[in-house]
Amino acid sequence: GQQLNQSPQSMFIQEGEDVSMNCTSSSIFNTWLWYKQEPGEGPVLLIALYKAGELTSNGRLTAQFGITRKDSFLNISASIPSDVGIYFCAGVNSGGSNYKLTFGKGTLLTVNP
Amino acid sequence: NAGVMQNPRHLVRRRGQEARLRCSPMKGHSHVYWYRQLPEEGLKFMVYLQKENIIDESGMPKERFSAEFPKEGPSILRIQQVVRGDSAAYFCASSLLEEGYNEQFFGPGTRLTVL
Repeated sequence: GQQLNQSPQSMFIQEGEDVSMNCTSSSIFNTWLWYKQEPGEGPVLLIALYKAGELTSNGRLTAQFGITRKDSFLNISASIPSDVGIYFCAGVNSGGSNYKLTFGKGTLLTVNP
Repeated sequence: NAGVMQNPRHLVRRRGQEARLRCSPMKGHSHVYWYRQLPEEGLKFMVYLQKENIIDESGMPKERFSAEFPKEGPSILRIQQVVRGDSAAYFCASSLLEEGYNEQFFGPGTRLTVL
C-alpha cells in the first residue's frame, strides 16, 4: 500500500524557536493535509492543501504542497508550549478512492518553556 | 457539542469477547469513516460508509470485523472474538462529501484494550 515518510520522528525545541517537518511519498497525491493530535484526543485538522505549489498559512503555521505532488512541509513559527503534540501529514489520492486518507507516522513535538 | 461523538472513550475486553464501538457523525454529515491507530503509528483507513451502505471496506480485516451505518442511529464498528492484537485506538471521522475530497472531522476515539 501507499506510504508516507514523515520526518523527523520527534523534535525537542525551546519556546520561541521555529519548527519544520515534512512528508514525502512515492505516490502522487492531489490533496495534502496536516493534523495535530494531543494525548487522548482525535486528530484536529490544521491546514488543507489542494493545489501543487500552494502555500497556505493558519496563524503561526505555514504549509506547502510540493510541486511534484509527492511532498509537503509544515512550518511552525515562534513555538509556544501549547504547540506540543503529534503532527501528522495525510494525503488523499485522485481517482476512485478520493476519500481515503493515508497518514504518515507523525512527528512528536516537545516545546521546553 | 456539534462535533463527532464516539463512545465509549475507553473499552476493556477479554480475549474472545465482542467489542462494539459507536460513532455519531457531525450534524448534517452522512459519510462516516473508521480508522485504526496502533501505538506510535499513524491512522490507517478501515472502512467508509454512507447511510445503509458500505462503500469501501478494503482496510478492514475480513474476519471478525464488521461495520454498519443504519438509517437511524450511530455507526457501529463491531469486533467479534477480540484478540490482543486488536488493542488500538479506533477513530471515526465524518464529512459532507458529495464528490471529490471533503474535509474529514475526527472524533475523540475509542481506546480498546484486550486483556
